[in-house]
Amino acid sequence: GQNIDQPTEMTATEGAIVQINCTYQTSGFNGLFWYQQHAGEAPTFLSYNVLDGLEEKGRFSSFLSRSKGYSYLLLKELQMKDSASYLCAVRTPADYKLSFGAGTTVTVRA
Amino acid sequence: GAVVSQHPSWVICKSGTSVKIECRSLDFQATTMFWYRQFPKQSLMLMATSNEGSKATYEQGVEKDKFLINHASLTLSTLTVTSAHPEDSSFYICSASTRGGTGQYFGPGTRLTVT
Repeated sequence: GQNIDQPTEMTATEGAIVQINCTYQTSGFNGLFWYQQHAGEAPTFLSYNVLDGLEEKGRFSSFLSRSKGYSYLLLKELQMKDSASYLCAVRTPADYKLSFGAGTTVTVRA
Repeated sequence: GAVVSQHPSWVICKSGTSVKIECRSLDFQATTMFWYRQFPKQSLMLMATSNEGSKATYEQGVEKDKFLINHASLTLSTLTVTSAHPEDSSFYICSASTRGGTGQYFGPGTRLTVT
């Protein structure tokens, strides 16, 4: 089976930085994805890592260490609109399925 | 690019009736489409994987006779919830991907309420 863990909730102040960690144990690995999901809406793609290292995309960065089964999503210069659930998902190579973590609810306060 | 649509966006039906949800890839051909279900404050749970022209593969615990999936073309997949019951009320989301692509593109979701 697939096991993907991430914290349930995080709170941060507008303008600050928040790091959401994700650890995984899966049967095979073909990439790790981060999605943002606002309440009542579908997930939107944020980032994709398949090799070790840091991927930077504007205010969002994602890091991957395959040997440690670990990733994090870094949100910089937090804005109120960043309040959402952030989902970590691992893709398995055999079937291209995504297994999702339970999601981390980030609340940004003024 | 890579836009996926779903129809309807929300639906209310009576217990015992059937509901069909459509998922379309608008600007690309989707080799594979996935159907997820999400209950409030929970993550996405994969229900089934659908490849064009072949039978869907259902995840453990998902009743294939209750959740009928048809993937007749490279741009359209449908999910029919048969004999719906209140416990089937949920947010249903489809996604589409191309073989070897970097990810899945999600539709906007369909909120089903069974009364």
